[in-house]
Amino acid sequence: AQRVTQPEKLLSVFKGAPVELKCNYSYSGSPELFWYVQYSRQRLQLLLRHISRESIKGFTADLNKGETSFHLKKPFAQEEDSAMYYCALLRASGSRLTFGEGTQLTVNP
Amino acid sequence: DVKVTQSSRYLVKRTGEKVFLECVQDMDHENMFWYRQDPGLGLRLIYFSYDVKMKEKGDIPEGYSVSREKKERFSLILESASTNQTSMYLCASRDPGQGTSEQYFGPGTRLTVT
Repeated sequence: AQRVTQPEKLLSVFKGAPVELKCNYSYSGSPELFWYVQYSRQRLQLLLRHISRESIKGFTADLNKGETSFHLKKPFAQEEDSAMYYCALLRASGSRLTFGEGTQLTVNP
Repeated sequence: DVKVTQSSRYLVKRTGEKVFLECVQDMDHENMFWYRQDPGLGLRLIYFSYDVKMKEKGDIPEGYSVSREKKERFSLILESASTNQTSMYLCASRDPGQGTSEQYFGPGTRLTVT
């Protein structure tokens, strides 16, 4: 069975500092990985997906199959990055997402 | 722009009541999902529907049922509400033909069972 783990429930950094939100997964096949974000009083929305290899709002995430990780990184955090972040896994040829526990990021001024 | 709406933002019900949570999407998506969101547990899938009248249990279906009579509407039913079903409930939809695999979420319904 697939599983997604986000080891940090809370993460606090200062504005301008680098930030890394950790995500580890277990799945025997070839997964598709995502980061979803929920800003205060807003709905959950897709931030980025690994197959796009894109940078969204300065965030990037690289799929490391050897370490089964998909950490989310940003070199210089901004206050508006404060939000709840969820890592999610989609099984190959599937429709179901498996979410991690979530990390609440707070960027302090 | 995909719009997923949920019938209530806040709901307070008594133990033993039958509760209906409604979700509507306007983009003709085939797949629809119900999750509950709890601190420290993330999002857990309750049920999902591949298409009209088709449903499949998620990871925590106990105490819940669903109905999908029309493509745009997916209902979550708590047959006899209990206090441990107090939670935030999120609905989502997805177009399986779309290459992005993205799920679009509603604003959520915060249900309190007293």
